Amino acid sequence: GENVEQHPSTLSVQEGDSAVIKCTYSDSASNYFPWYKQELGKGPQLIIDIRSNVGEKKDQRIAVTLNKTAKHFSLHITETQPEDSAVYFCAAPSGGYQKVTFGTGTKLQVIP
Amino acid sequence: GAGVSQSPSNKVTEKGKDVELRCDPISGHTALYWYRQSLGQGLEFLIYFQGNSAPDKSGLPSDRFSAERTGGSVSTLTIQRTQQEDSAVYLCASSLGGQGWTYGYTFGSGTRLTVV
Repeated sequence: GENVEQHPSTLSVQEGDSAVIKCTYSDSASNYFPWYKQELGKGPQLIIDIRSNVGEKKDQRIAVTLNKTAKHFSLHITETQPEDSAVYFCAAPSGGYQKVTFGTGTKLQVIP
Repeated sequence: GAGVSQSPSNKVTEKGKDVELRCDPISGHTALYWYRQSLGQGLEFLIYFQGNSAPDKSGLPSDRFSAERTGGSVSTLTIQRTQQEDSAVYLCASSLGGQGWTYGYTFGSGTRLTVV
């Protein structure tokens, strides 16, 4: 089955700085990589995803990059704001691609 | 409603009791998933329903856990003879399409289960 590793587990940045979270996966056939943001007391929310036919995707202050050769993908948040503080999860397809396996999460703290 | 609805939001139960957790997915979403999140931990897959196909139960931790989905819509997760290690947040998600994962999940807010 798919194995997804996520680093770092915690990340503190000053407001306005950039944050980068990295994930690796094991199944070279995987072709869809979503990122979820979980705020306290809420369920995770899909914030961005990327498919294997592109190397980078941007949406305002967030971007995701994918390196299929190295089997890793990263979330980049620029100009961080306090409301970006949350737990972020990466994911990759598993189980015959009918579901996803999540990384272990990164707790991001943006310090005002 | 527009989102995934879970009830109850909080449940405290005594060890050994049975509990039922409910999930109302987004109308038209054919895929429904249950995940478990222990305190400060990641998301553990429990079970997956897709249309009228047999569910993928590969993540259920023991035979005390079961789930059903009636009419391709509402799902109920049942935990029998609850144990303290069952304490966690149980999250339900739904997704559109046959290969639901490619469309991304919409999660509910979860049910926080505490077994005392």
